[in-house]
Amino acid sequence: GNSVTQMEGPVTLSEEAFLTINCTYTATGYPSLFWYVQYPGEGLQLLLKATKADDKGSNKGFEATYRKETTSFHLEKGSVQVSDSAVYFCALSEPNSGGGADGLTFGKGTHLIIQP
Amino acid sequence: DAGVTQSPTHLIKTRGQQVTLRCSPKSGHDTVSWYQQALGQGPQFIFQYYEEEERQRGNFPDRFSGHQFPNYSSELNVNALLLGDSALYLCASSPNSYEQYFGPGTRLTVT
Repeated sequence: GNSVTQMEGPVTLSEEAFLTINCTYTATGYPSLFWYVQYPGEGLQLLLKATKADDKGSNKGFEATYRKETTSFHLEKGSVQVSDSAVYFCALSEPNSGGGADGLTFGKGTHLIIQP
Repeated sequence: DAGVTQSPTHLIKTRGQQVTLRCSPKSGHDTVSWYQQALGQGPQFIFQYYEEEERQRGNFPDRFSGHQFPNYSSELNVNALLLGDSALYLCASSPNSYEQYFGPGTRLTVT
């Protein structure tokens, strides 16, 4: 079956530091990959996505590149802010026979804490 | 444009009872998926509805059932509640594509 593995948290950084959150996956087919963010007390928000190998997803200064050869989708940001403190989830979804996508498979999440 | 909405926000039930959670998808979205998120864990896929039928199911027992209405809204029903069913239940909608948009969730506590 499909699975997603993320680095354990919490990850604590100072403001303006460089961020990397590692994510690797196992899938039977050709999945799309996602990063979702969850702020305290809220639902999940889609941060970025990539649908095929070598695609780079980007949003709000965050980036991740779909690496098929290493089955990875690491999240990076050059300079983090206190407002980036949240839980980040890596996820994948495979296409289904109806032309849509299957349910998402999530990692366990990485809690990011940014200190001023 | 309203996003995905869920009701109720919070719910407290007793073991053995039954519960119904509701979800209204984002306008224009015809696919609804449900997830269970235990405290400190990633969401786990329960099932997905499309055109009023269950299209895919995750590894959850038959106590978990659902329904999708002609207006694409959806319900999640859980029978014979167990303490372990306490979690945040998330609904997500999509226009039958890869991007799923999540609602704020329903926090279910089973005592």
